[in-house]
Amino acid sequence: KAGVTQTPRYLIKTRGQQVTLSCSPISGHRSVSWYQQTPGQGLQFLFEYFSETQRNKGNFPGRFSGRQFSNSRSEMNVSTLELGDSALYLCASSSRDGMNTEAFFGQGTRLTVV
Amino acid sequence: AQSVSQHNHHVILSEAASLELGCNYSYGGTVNLFWYVQYPGQHLQLLLKYFSGDPLVKGIKGFEAEFIKSKFSFNLRKPSVQWSDTAEYFCAVNARAAGNKLTFGGGTRVLVKP
Repeated sequence: KAGVTQTPRYLIKTRGQQVTLSCSPISGHRSVSWYQQTPGQGLQFLFEYFSETQRNKGNFPGRFSGRQFSNSRSEMNVSTLELGDSALYLCASSSRDGMNTEAFFGQGTRLTVV
Repeated sequence: AQSVSQHNHHVILSEAASLELGCNYSYGGTVNLFWYVQYPGQHLQLLLKYFSGDPLVKGIKGFEAEFIKSKFSFNLRKPSVQWSDTAEYFCAVNARAAGNKLTFGGGTRVLVKP
């Protein structure tokens, strides 16, 4: 069974640009969550999508957005990039709706904003 | 809002020493508890999980954790570490009312000297 796949693995963008990251969950999983990992702030929850609906949202500005498609694949978009957005962005998929389930993480997309 | 704290940021041990990492969370409702590990250059992997039942849970690679509800704690233990246990360890909590949103502790970097 293939794991969670994130593309691209590495990305370099310039301040002010926008970026889209992609996540393919494990087959059959309907929940996709996104996290930002930085040395200073650790792992922080961005948002969760379940059956194409955003179910949870973390404390990030509106520049961070996401969506989920009918095949459960998800994309995350960051507009007007800032230097502080440089981070490892992790996607996790879960098979159920939060009851006694675990999250499986992808390798992440390393975003560098210059 | 829930929060998770890990007591140690860095731990240095010699091989065969015992390891215990502390984790406390604050949340008044029912939670699921996890320990994840991130080996150098690899993605987050689940070590063990607690949903309900026996508060002493066993995970992979000889790790175990004990849930003490009265102390809101979920401490990770391993009786005898190996050099290959060098990694960063994250405690995480999922409030069952919050879908699949995970709140992570700050992580503990463990270095095992051969």
